[in-house]
Amino acid sequence: DVKVTQSSRYLVKRTGEKVFLECVQDMDHENMFWYRQDPGLGLRLIYFSYDVKMKEKGDIPEGYSVSREKKERFSLILESASTNQTSMYLCASNPGSTNEKLFFGSGTQLSVL
Amino acid sequence: GENVEQHPSTLSVQEGDSAVIKCTYSDSASNYFPWYKQELGKRPQLIIDIRSNVGEKKDQRIAVTLNKTAKHFSLHITETQPEDSAVYFCAAGYSTLTFGKGTMLLVSP
Repeated sequence: DVKVTQSSRYLVKRTGEKVFLECVQDMDHENMFWYRQDPGLGLRLIYFSYDVKMKEKGDIPEGYSVSREKKERFSLILESASTNQTSMYLCASNPGSTNEKLFFGSGTQLSVL
Repeated sequence: GENVEQHPSTLSVQEGDSAVIKCTYSDSASNYFPWYKQELGKRPQLIIDIRSNVGEKKDQRIAVTLNKTAKHFSLHITETQPEDSAVYFCAAGYSTLTFGKGTMLLVSP
C-alpha cells in the first residue's frame, strides 16, 4: 500500500521562526500536494508539484514556499511563522494523472506561539 | 477558480437511516468528483469518486450522483452504521481539487 509519511505529528514553534515540514512518499508518484485543514474551512491547497524541481501555487500560497529536490520528498517551508499559520498540515500524493485518488499523510499539527 | 459548497455542515441520523450530503460546484470544466471520509484523528480516505461522463456510481451502501447541468453532486449512504460516523468531504476539479468545508455525520445506535 502507498505510504505517505510526514516527519512530525505535532510541532510547536515560535512566531518568526523558519519552519520545515517534510513529506516522503514511497510509491514513485509524480504529483505531491500540501493542504492545510482548519475546522469549518475544509482542506485548502497551499502548493503542489508535478515533477522534481517544479512547483505551482495553490489557493493560499502566501507565507509559504516549497521544495522538491527529489521525486519522493516534498517540503513545505514557513519562512517566518505567524500565529495564523497554526493549523493541521496534510501532505498528499498521487500518480501521473492529476484526476486520481489522493493518498494523504497522517498530518502535522503545527502550533505557532 | 473553482468554488465548492457543501451541505449540511452537520448531520445526525439514527442507525439504519439513510444520509445524504450535497455539494455544488462553480467551474463547468471540473470533471472529477471524489468523496473523502475522515475519522477522528485519522487521515482523509477516498470512499468513492465519479467522473463527468457518468451520472451515478454505487459501491455497496454508498452511492454518488452527478448532475453536470445543475453543477451538483451528492453522496448517499444507506443503512447507516455507527462506524459511518466521520467527517465527509466532497471535492471537484480537473487538474487540482477544491474541497468542500466538510459534513460531520453522526450515526446514533
